[in-house]
Amino acid sequence: NAGVMQNPRHLVRRRGQEARLRCSPMKGHSHVYWYRQLPEEGLKFMVYLQKENIIDESGMPKERFSAEFPKEGPSILRIQQVVRGDSAAYFCASSATLNTEAFFGQGTRLTVV
Amino acid sequence: EDKVVQSPLSLVVHEGDTVTLNCSYEVTNFRSLLWYKQEKKAPTFLFMLTSSGIEKKSGRLSSILDKKELFSILNITATQTGDSAVYLCAPPANAGGTSYGKLTFGQGTILTVHP
Repeated sequence: NAGVMQNPRHLVRRRGQEARLRCSPMKGHSHVYWYRQLPEEGLKFMVYLQKENIIDESGMPKERFSAEFPKEGPSILRIQQVVRGDSAAYFCASSATLNTEAFFGQGTRLTVV
Repeated sequence: EDKVVQSPLSLVVHEGDTVTLNCSYEVTNFRSLLWYKQEKKAPTFLFMLTSSGIEKKSGRLSSILDKKELFSILNITATQTGDSAVYLCAPPANAGGTSYGKLTFGQGTILTVHP
């Protein structure tokens, strides 16, 4: 059973470009969470999705960031018009149900130059 | 707002030592607390604690929760260099009260184990 798969592992974007981060949850998991870890800071919750639905986006920046989890395919975290401050590690996690532990992917390290 | 404080922030020990990591929390409608280990990549799940006073063990690691005093400890006995990592405690965030995957992480304890 493969774990949570994120790609790419590393992504470099110039300021103003778009970044697309992908996350395939563990098999049988329908709950997906995105976290951001800024340099020298802790993990911060961004958004919680179930298939085709955003359940909680209280941690998402108001502009430029969006997330989706379509019926088919991976969850996508999209950052439009990236700025240097978006440089961070973005982690995806998944869980089987509401009340079970979440397992994390290896993360995508985004660098904005 | 939920608050999680871990101590110490960093700890340096030698192989064979025993360490105790602390996590105190203030969470509305507390349900559980999770411990993760992060080694420069994905946080790895260690324990989920729901009941007060019941120790959970996995090899050299053990953890216990005190719901009355609002804290948890993680013990590692006979430490090895492979235990070097950041240890994170995280109660599920109450806002929305929805899921154990929505976590409020503490700042972590950086453990360094020297040979």
